[in-house]
Amino acid sequence: SQTIHQWPATLVQPVGSPLSLECTVEGTSNPNLYWYRQAAGRGLQLLFYSVGIGQISSEVPQNLSASRPQDRQFILSSKKLLLSDSGFYLCAFERDNDYEQYFGPGTRLTVT
Amino acid sequence: QKEVEQDPGPLSVPEGAIVSLNCTYSNSAFQYFMWYRQYSRKGPELLMYTYSSGNKEDGRFTAQVDKSSKYISLFIRDSQPSDSATYLCAMSTAGNQFYFGTGTSLTVIP
Repeated sequence: SQTIHQWPATLVQPVGSPLSLECTVEGTSNPNLYWYRQAAGRGLQLLFYSVGIGQISSEVPQNLSASRPQDRQFILSSKKLLLSDSGFYLCAFERDNDYEQYFGPGTRLTVT
Repeated sequence: QKEVEQDPGPLSVPEGAIVSLNCTYSNSAFQYFMWYRQYSRKGPELLMYTYSSGNKEDGRFTAQVDKSSKYISLFIRDSQPSDSATYLCAMSTAGNQFYFGTGTSLTVIP
């Protein structure tokens, strides 16, 4: 069976500090990978998605970037965090275009 | 107009009640429809997945899609306190884009 991991679970970072959130998927090959941010009452905002190693599509211009150095690894980064980057970050995978998305446990980021 | 509209609730029902959760959408190209359950401070969990129109049943859960009305529903029979969560609808065309509702908060009172 497939599983998805995210870490860390919670993170408190000062404004201007860098960020690195990691997501890994097990049990499937060549998944589509997604990063979302969830704000209270505002649903899920798609940040990035990737259909393969090194292939990143950005949905929203922002302070964040993503990379996919390996088939089942997806990383969300920032060089300098802003207060507005606070939120609940979710990684998701889709098995080879079968149109079902599965989410990780999420990372709660607080920028102070 | 948002792609997907979902009443945020909150919805509060007694244990054992039938719960109806709904979403409407505007894009007639959506073909894949999903319902997620999200407990507080957790990631969404895929509950139901439906392709095109029709009904799908899984235990106490039934998903309905009416493409002619651009309307999807999730019914929960014999609701339990453990069903208390936020329910998100989601839909997709054949591309890599998924569109989510904002979620309906449900509380089942013992």
